[in-house]
Amino acid sequence: GESVGLHLPTLSVQEGDNSIINCAYSNSASDYFIWYKQESGKGPQFIIDIRSNMDKRQGQRVTVLLNKTVKHLSLQIAATQPGDSAVYFCAENRGNTDKLIFGTGTRLQVFP
Amino acid sequence: DAGVIQSPRHEVTEMGQEVTLRCKPISGHNSLFWYRQTMMRGLELLIYFNNNVPIDDSGMPEDRFSAKMPNASFSTLKIQPSEPRDSAVYFCASSLTVLGGYTFGSGTRLTVV
Repeated sequence: GESVGLHLPTLSVQEGDNSIINCAYSNSASDYFIWYKQESGKGPQFIIDIRSNMDKRQGQRVTVLLNKTVKHLSLQIAATQPGDSAVYFCAENRGNTDKLIFGTGTRLQVFP
Repeated sequence: DAGVIQSPRHEVTEMGQEVTLRCKPISGHNSLFWYRQTMMRGLELLIYFNNNVPIDDSGMPEDRFSAKMPNASFSTLKIQPSEPRDSAVYFCASSLTVLGGYTFGSGTRLTVV
């Protein structure tokens, strides 16, 4: 029979535009969050993290926003480039373990 | 540092055969994680070790799967017997602490026919 697989949400943006990727996390006890980037054929790669005592953190061209009230995390990429094309995952950690639980991912496509 | 090293990169095997995936974590990292990635389920944590001791194996799908970490520089994930539904990309990752995240290997793409 037909298998039902994950349908990755896809965000398509034009080169140079800003991208916003969203993530809803599951557990209000989670207190540490990470965004990962996964390019085709490679393992996930750390981009930026944020602790629950913060609501915003900035890196180079990337910003993570955390809204604990609605359990929502977002990744903003400024001036998106073709090299940003990848699948982006949020991951959450509950402070009493070393486990990272990954979200389902969002595919970012950058077109010229 | 060469990062987390996994072998083989690709494995094609027949149903019923034993499969062994290998991982060398980053030197000095004391936690090691095995993940499986499929289109159906995304990235699933199978098992993780801390200081070579299995801490949480609740993600291991069934008794056909086993993992070992005989020393700080080597871990294996074994599937015996393998089934077509085990086809996936298996990632190994290591860390010193969860803060700063894990470093992932390049993965082993397993195909069971």
